[in-house]
Amino acid sequence: EVQLLESGGGLVLPGGSLRLSCAASGFTFSSYAMSWVRQAPGKGLEWVSAMSGSGDNTYYPDSVKGRFTISRDNSKNTLYLQMNSLRAEDTAVYYCAKQDWNPGGYMDVWGKGTTVTVSS
Amino acid sequence: DIQMTQSPSTLSASVGDRVSITCRASQSISRWLAWYQQKPGKAPKVLIYKASSLESGVPSRFSGSGSGTEFTLTISSLQPDDFATYYCQQYNSYPWTFGQGTKVEIK
Repeated sequence: EVQLLESGGGLVLPGGSLRLSCAASGFTFSSYAMSWVRQAPGKGLEWVSAMSGSGDNTYYPDSVKGRFTISRDNSKNTLYLQMNSLRAEDTAVYYCAKQDWNPGGYMDVWGKGTTVTVSS
Repeated sequence: DIQMTQSPSTLSASVGDRVSITCRASQSISRWLAWYQQKPGKAPKVLIYKASSLESGVPSRFSGSGSGTEFTLTISSLQPDDFATYYCQQYNSYPWTFGQGTKVEIK
């Protein structure tokens, strides 16, 4: 069974940093692009980063470019999101999602999410 | 960036109704569009990909159509389990973008 399990969320001060992890199982991790998607409380979905299967290509929207860094360790079947210079508007549930091919594709499997709260 | 606009934002319907949700892209995305269903407190679940392909395990009452800039998600006969929020998403080009969502409520 394909599974994604996020961890690393929590409460952080504005300007602080946090690293999220996503442990993958049930598929050949290195063969698929992966994404992070977030959802602020009561709001819609916002895609925040993607990485190709090999890790050679990364993609970000302007809202997080320069502050967030996506990475992956294919030997550990794990995806990461390093978030720096956090702002109150980064408060959200962060989902890890598998894309259906490499380097693009829609998001066919999602984790349950991890909650990040940026507040003083 | 490609903007995705859904309508309506809220839809009130009864069990058994046929309902449709529209998604418009600010430029052509060919057929690179997915539809997701999300229930409160849960992760999104993909229903439709490539505009009209039904994801494995998704009931056949869900269907998608369209290409270019205009797309539609149709539920042929609304079931109690279908009351949820629906999002379209383009994957034609990065940055991926979602519509703002359509909440399907019980009438």
